[in-house]
Amino acid sequence: AQKVTQAQTEISVVEKEDVTLDCVYETRDTTYYLFWYKQPPSGELVFLIRRNSFDEQNEISGRYSWNFQKSTSSFNFTITASQVVDSAVYFCALSDADMDTGRRALTFGSGTRLQVQP
Amino acid sequence: KAGVTQTPRYLIKTRGQQVTLSCSPISGHRSVSWYQQTPGQGLQFLFEYFSETQRNKGNFPGRFSGRQFSNSRSEMNVSTLELGDSALYLCASSFEQGARSHEQFFGPGTRLTVL
Repeated sequence: AQKVTQAQTEISVVEKEDVTLDCVYETRDTTYYLFWYKQPPSGELVFLIRRNSFDEQNEISGRYSWNFQKSTSSFNFTITASQVVDSAVYFCALSDADMDTGRRALTFGSGTRLQVQP
Repeated sequence: KAGVTQTPRYLIKTRGQQVTLSCSPISGHRSVSWYQQTPGQGLQFLFEYFSETQRNKGNFPGRFSGRQFSNSRSEMNVSTLELGDSALYLCASSFEQGARSHEQFFGPGTRLTVL
């Protein structure tokens, strides 16, 4: 069975601080995909990044960066110089990607609520 | 390009009734998945449709069903509503092939309240 753990329920920071959201996953698949989504108060899940299991390169996109480490089954997300607009719930997810049938389903963590104070 | 759209955005029903929710995927996306989000259980996978066929199913009772039409639009139905069915129902679509085929893009959701 697949599992995604986001141990941090809520984080509060002051604007311009850096913040790291932790994600630990469990899977028996050798090929899988990891994702981060942002859910603002409006409710829509906004796609941030996808990472393949065979690509351990870290990625940076503006103020966002992701650290993928297969050895520790972690896929952490860092926001540099946080802003009030970053306030949202962030979800880490793992894709059950059946390469033969194409079937797919996301297993989500419980989410981390980030509050950025001005 | 228009995103995933879901209708209606809000619904209020009473126990025992049934409800149908609709989802229109992003143009060109043929896979549509449904998720339920509740405060207690979080985000849970309901089912996935591709080419008008249910391709994957989560662990939900048979009261939850869905279908997909030839234009990839999808509907989900919940019969005999229970109080615990109150949730945000999210639809997601994705490409079937290519490097981005496992990226799922979500709609704004339908918030269902069962009284």
